[in-house]
Amino acid sequence: GAGVSQSPRYKVAKRGQDVALRCDPISGHVSLFWYQQALGQGPEFLTYFQNEAQLDKSGLPSDRFFAERPEGSVSTLKIQRTQQEDSAVYLCASSLTGHAYEQYFGPGTRLTVT
Amino acid sequence: ELKVEQNPLFLSMQEGKNYTIYCNYSTTSDRLYWYRQDPGKSLESLFVLLSNGAVKQEGRLMASLDTKARLSTLHITAAVHDLSATYFCAVAWGGNQFYFGTGTSLTVIP
Repeated sequence: GAGVSQSPRYKVAKRGQDVALRCDPISGHVSLFWYQQALGQGPEFLTYFQNEAQLDKSGLPSDRFFAERPEGSVSTLKIQRTQQEDSAVYLCASSLTGHAYEQYFGPGTRLTVT
Repeated sequence: ELKVEQNPLFLSMQEGKNYTIYCNYSTTSDRLYWYRQDPGKSLESLFVLLSNGAVKQEGRLMASLDTKARLSTLHITAAVHDLSATYFCAVAWGGNQFYFGTGTSLTVIP
């Protein structure tokens, strides 16, 4: 079946621009996660949704980062006024249940801020 | 904050040899994961370890968990080139926060 998909796969933004990254989780999956992966590092937790509720946003690095999942399926991660330090791969993962026993990762969006 | 440390960070090994990657974590957790990541690709789940003494094997890879020592190992037996990738361990904490190690970049040399 279809896995987690993300779009765009690559995004180049000029410093100061706003960007929106989309994640389509596996159909029926309750939990959705966003991670930021800098070059040569492991993924870092950003935020977590259970259905449409954002239960944990403690990993968002600043108030320029905003995530939503209004209907409990597709999620969007928005970054306002992008900075060079935002350059990274943004990974989305989904899990069937609220306990998130197993996460399934999407291919990621590589964001480059110039 | 939970810290997850992996070593080595880089590993170059010859085909046919055995080696072990170590993952230490700082706080009690009920779930430990191993993932594989190929260059430019996403993460592929390898193992989920849930209890002290858990051991799982898939092909040439075997993972184990010692919750008392807060240590997991990923053992590679008779390495082959196809195993070249970056391997991450991750620890679940506080319900649904996953903390990842910095990864071990494995290169298997023919």
